[in-house]
Amino acid sequence: ETAVFQTPNYHVTQVGNEVSFNCKQTLGHDTMYWYKQDSKKLLKIMFSYNNKQLIVNETVPRRFSPQSSDKAHLNLRIKSVEPEDSAVYLCASSHTGVGNTLYFGEGSRLIVV
Amino acid sequence: GQQVQQSPASLVLQEGENAELQCNFSTSLNSMQWFYQRPGGSLVSLFYNPSGTKHSGRLTSTTVIKERRSSLHISSSQTTDSGTYLCAPRSNYNVLYFGSGTKLTVEP
Repeated sequence: ETAVFQTPNYHVTQVGNEVSFNCKQTLGHDTMYWYKQDSKKLLKIMFSYNNKQLIVNETVPRRFSPQSSDKAHLNLRIKSVEPEDSAVYLCASSHTGVGNTLYFGEGSRLIVV
Repeated sequence: GQQVQQSPASLVLQEGENAELQCNFSTSLNSMQWFYQRPGGSLVSLFYNPSGTKHSGRLTSTTVIKERRSSLHISSSQTTDSGTYLCAPRSNYNVLYFGSGTKLTVEP
């Protein structure tokens, strides 16, 4: 049962445009994440937020900016997209603390033309 | 950076055969979560296994944290097991670092 909701599921845009992906979780978790899965299917962490505070930022280009209004929401904005941004972006959530299982959304596929 | 290596990269089985998937990871990571990724892309958590052996139906996960390795055993494979299996040890911030996956194809 999906409890991490991402929108849009799919987006095609041109180089230089701005894109936003939204993520909401209904699990009562206080930590949320954004992962990127590239064309080689490799999943990499981008950001981690705990109670609206940035915890992890894994050397992500500055055109990427996460936005958290509350602990149930973590959006991802990309200013001026580039071709290498084409990927699937996966949102996840968990309770705070090591060992808590992450739950993933269905993903948002971005295609930059 | 964090290093996670999975083997084999791909595996083709006949239905009914068993599979053994391996995952090795660097010293700064600990515990382990195994995922199944459907061909459509969604991730399903199979196990959280920080150490020892856990069973779930036809699946068995064994993690030996001292040796920085974990394995996933699939017994009596079925065509519906086809997909990509990902291991993901985690950092102290509960961030998962994924391997590149094992693509499993089970033929009838």
